[in-house]
Amino acid sequence: GGIITQTPKFLIGQEGQKLTLKCQQNFNHDTMYWYRQDSGKGLRLIYYSITENDLQKGDLSEGYDASREKKSSFSLTVTSAQKNEMAVFLCASSHDTSQNTLYFGAGTRLSVL
Amino acid sequence: TQTVSQSDAHVTVFEGDSVELRCNYSYGGSIYLSWYIQHHGRGLQFLLKYYSGNPVVQGVNGFEAEFSKSDSSFHLRKASVHWSDSAVYFCAASSPGGRALIFGTGTTVSVSP
Repeated sequence: GGIITQTPKFLIGQEGQKLTLKCQQNFNHDTMYWYRQDSGKGLRLIYYSITENDLQKGDLSEGYDASREKKSSFSLTVTSAQKNEMAVFLCASSHDTSQNTLYFGAGTRLSVL
Repeated sequence: TQTVSQSDAHVTVFEGDSVELRCNYSYGGSIYLSWYIQHHGRGLQFLLKYYSGNPVVQGVNGFEAEFSKSDSSFHLRKASVHWSDSAVYFCAASSPGGRALIFGTGTTVSVSP
């Protein structure tokens, strides 16, 4: 079986800071995703990528950049952290977008002071 | 607009009881439906999915879900819950060739001894 590794597990930032979250998968999956999870709001799609060097915006892409330089990795950048922001960022992968079986990492928990 | 709604934010049951978690969707055309489970501090794990055929699908650990086109629903059930079933459950949907899963807001299940 494969695994999705997200780093760091916890991220504390300052207001206005640029912060990068990383995700690696060894499933050899084509498609990777970044979701944001806020309490009571479920998961909202930030970016996804169907192959290396591809980027597709989700509903919540404003304020974020993403990069898929290798098939196995997908990074997310918070371009300017917002004061008191707290959320969990979940990375996932799937064979393709039609398969609908996503494999998730454990998440990166962000707190902004 | 495609939506997935989970009407119950929190459900409390006793160990050994049955549980049903409700999921309703609003989609045009063909649809994939799935359920995921998230234990505290972990990423989401796939439980089961439906696309076509038998409207009752079986998943892991005794979970099953039933698709109803007339009710636009995909409710999740388990006949006898265990304390380890305490978690947040997410319903998700997408269309074939669609871009990514859309998730509901989740239902937290608390199993009491």
